[in-house]
Amino acid sequence: KAGVTQTPRYLIKTRGQQVTLSCSPISGHRSVSWYQQTPGQGLQFLFEYFSETQRNKGNFPGRFSGRQFSNSRSEMNVSTLELGDSALYLCASKGDGYTDTQYFGPGTRLTVL
Amino acid sequence: AQKVTQAQTEISVVEKEDVTLDCVYETRDTTYYLFWYKQPPSGELVFLIRRNSFDEQNEISGRYSWNFQKSTSSFNFTITASQVVDSAVYFCALSEAPLYGGSQGNLIFGKGTKLSVKP
Repeated sequence: KAGVTQTPRYLIKTRGQQVTLSCSPISGHRSVSWYQQTPGQGLQFLFEYFSETQRNKGNFPGRFSGRQFSNSRSEMNVSTLELGDSALYLCASKGDGYTDTQYFGPGTRLTVL
Repeated sequence: AQKVTQAQTEISVVEKEDVTLDCVYETRDTTYYLFWYKQPPSGELVFLIRRNSFDEQNEISGRYSWNFQKSTSSFNFTITASQVVDSAVYFCALSEAPLYGGSQGNLIFGKGTKLSVKP
């Protein structure tokens, strides 16, 4: 079974721009979660989508948004980029089972100049 | 509030030494899940183990073992006879039981422990 895939792997943007990151979950997984990893704040939960609905949300400003498509693929969007948005963005997918575990993709490294 | 503390920021050992990574957690819930993930330089988080709060049995998987103690709110991870390939950042994480089935979307991570194993 293929793992979680994320595209692109690397991205360079400038302040004020917007960016869209993509995540394809493991086949059969309907839950997709997004995390931001920075040296200062560590790994922080952004949001979770399940069956095209946002089910959980972390403490991030409204500039961070996401969506999920009917095939469970998910996108994350950051508008009006700030220097502090430079981070590794990780996507994770899990099955529907109560005890299922989250499996992570390789991440997208975003650099904001 | 939920919190995970990994007090060891960096550990350096020589190959074949045993090493223990500490994890202390805080939660108000009686039902919760604990995890360990490994992050090699490539960046991907690799799942190692999941434990629920009702299962305090220690677990061994090859050179890896985990010691879960609810009395001290700790979930420590030991690597026996470490190898250079074990060099990575290791994260401990906590998730409270969902209000409804299937949602463990919110993992609370510790800051991680960077393990360097030298030949």
